[in-house]
Amino acid sequence: GQQVMQIPQYQHVQEGEDFTTYCNSSTTLSNIQWYKQRPGGHPVFLIQLVKSGEVKKQKRLTFQFGEAKKNSSLHITATQTTDVGTYFCPSGNTGKLIFGQGTTLQVKP
Amino acid sequence: DAGVIQSPRHEVTEMGQEVTLRCKPISGHNSLFWYRQTMMRGLELLIYFNNNVPIDDSGMPEDRFSAKMPNASFSTLKIQPSEPRDSAVYFCASSHPDRGADGYTFGSGTRLTVV
Repeated sequence: GQQVMQIPQYQHVQEGEDFTTYCNSSTTLSNIQWYKQRPGGHPVFLIQLVKSGEVKKQKRLTFQFGEAKKNSSLHITATQTTDVGTYFCPSGNTGKLIFGQGTTLQVKP
Repeated sequence: DAGVIQSPRHEVTEMGQEVTLRCKPISGHNSLFWYRQTMMRGLELLIYFNNNVPIDDSGMPEDRFSAKMPNASFSTLKIQPSEPRDSAVYFCASSHPDRGADGYTFGSGTRLTVV
């Protein structure tokens, strides 16, 4: 099945700095979804990307899907303490999503 | 909509006891998923159902685990007998197969501690 690797596993930033997490697949993806899990919380769906080269924005969050549909990134501009959590880009189709370890973001105020 | 509802929120039980976790998916969502999360293993898919039928249970760790979905609005995950290594947060999630762009909706989880 599809295997998506996510880096980095951990990231500590100072509040106000930017943050980026990357997901890379060895195979072409039909789509990619992003989730956020706050400490002690549950994963929350953020967005789905489908088209090659697609870019979507949600306030300070920018999501990109690579031209070859093999990679994706999530960029947060000017992080805030509310951005703390683990960000996931699970692999598979909507029938069965496999979550990796994600990227855990810590923001120092 | 109240979202995906899981009960109980917390469960502490002694080794060897039977544990039953419950989930009510979002009305109209035809797919239901059970995940388990630990620090060591991350978020693991245990089993999922489509239209109340188990589709893939390859993630169920062993015969002590069983899951049922008797109707579209209710599912259970049972562990019998429970062991300390089953301690984890168990999440239920649901989705609409025709609205993949809406993603999965997760419940708040059941934190299970087996002592």
